Amino acid sequence: KAGVTQTPRYLIKTRGQQVTLSCSPISGHRSVSWYQQTPGQGLQFLFEYFSETQRNKGNFPGRFSGRQFSNSRSEMNVSTLELGDSALYLCASSLGGLSTEAFFGQGTRLTVV
Amino acid sequence: SQQGEEDPQALSIQEGENATMNCSYKTSINNLQWYRQNSGRGLVHLILIRSNEREKHSGRLRVTLDTSKKSSSLLITASRAADTASYFCATVKTNNNDMRFGAGTRLTVKP
Repeated sequence: KAGVTQTPRYLIKTRGQQVTLSCSPISGHRSVSWYQQTPGQGLQFLFEYFSETQRNKGNFPGRFSGRQFSNSRSEMNVSTLELGDSALYLCASSLGGLSTEAFFGQGTRLTVV
Repeated sequence: SQQGEEDPQALSIQEGENATMNCSYKTSINNLQWYRQNSGRGLVHLILIRSNEREKHSGRLRVTLDTSKKSSSLLITASRAADTASYFCATVKTNNNDMRFGAGTRLTVKP
């Protein structure tokens, strides 16, 4: 059974640009959640999608958005990039959401210059 | 913002010894989960313990939860060099709408 796949693995963007990250969950999993990890703030929850609907949302500005497709694949978009958006972005998939075991991808390392 | 506080921040032990990490949190929770992360890679789920449970085991791992003290501990017995990693606790609030991670404990197991 294939694990959670995140693409791309590494990304370098310039301030002001926008970026889209992709996450393919484990087959059969309907929940995809996104997290940002930085040395200063640690791991922070961005949002969770379940069956194409955003079900839960962390405390991030509106520049961070996401969506989920009918095949459960999810994308996360960050607009008007800031230097502070440099981070490891992790996605996780699960059967039932935040209260069930989550399987994480290897992450996308975003560097904003 | 982070929900939990883990202590210690860093722990260094010899192979074969036991390692204990603690996690405290602030709000009412539905469940608490422990994860392991190797060198900035993805997280690996270790154990999920629900608010009505007090203890769970998985192999060499033992997790306890004390909701009255809002704290949890992770015990790794007979540690191995391969256990070297960062360990995080994560709490899911009672209404299941938020997951908060602690700052993590960096465990080093020396061979």
